[in-house]
Amino acid sequence: GQQVMQIPQYQHVQEGEDFTTYCNSSTTLSNIQWYKQRPGGHPVFLIQLVKSGEVKKQKRLTFQFGEAKKNSSLHITATQTTDVGTYFCAGANFNKFYFGSGTKLNVKP
Amino acid sequence: KAGVTQTPRYLIKTRGQQVTLSCSPISGHRSVSWYQQTPGQGLQFLFEYFSETQRNKGNFPGRFSGRQFSNSRSEMNVSTLELGDSALYLCASSLAHRTDGAFFGQGTRLTVV
Repeated sequence: GQQVMQIPQYQHVQEGEDFTTYCNSSTTLSNIQWYKQRPGGHPVFLIQLVKSGEVKKQKRLTFQFGEAKKNSSLHITATQTTDVGTYFCAGANFNKFYFGSGTKLNVKP
Repeated sequence: KAGVTQTPRYLIKTRGQQVTLSCSPISGHRSVSWYQQTPGQGLQFLFEYFSETQRNKGNFPGRFSGRQFSNSRSEMNVSTLELGDSALYLCASSLAHRTDGAFFGQGTRLTVV
């Protein structure tokens, strides 16, 4: 069945460094969503991308949806300790909806 | 708007017992989905309800069931609890479909002993 693969599983960065997590799907997606889960918390919806090649920014976060609508990335510029958490992508294909396994980000001050 | 409310927040149950978890979605949201989250397995989809009907179901045994009421509130039930059912159970509220974007509750932390 369709799965959404997310890499890397873990990322440790020094505060101020950049961070990127990637999602890949075996099939074309109708949209992709990104979520952040802080340690001990619950997933929080960040954004939804729908169009091919779409790029959206939220302050230091940049989200991209690939031209073929099969992959996506989340890039954080100049990480801060408040960015610590697990970032999940979730791909939708009609009524199917798959969460990636998440990338756990640790930021060292 | 109030967010998604899940009760209880924490539960300890004994193997073999059953448990019912409750979820009140965001006002106006009609889709409620349930997920199980464990450290090793990530977010696993249990089921989705819309207009009191189960619309989608994940790959969980029949011990896991749910329902949705006319006010969109939802409950999930796990019967004959096993140790492996210990997890964070998350409810997510969506406007019409979980593919629209999901707003999660804080979850119920279930421990089976």
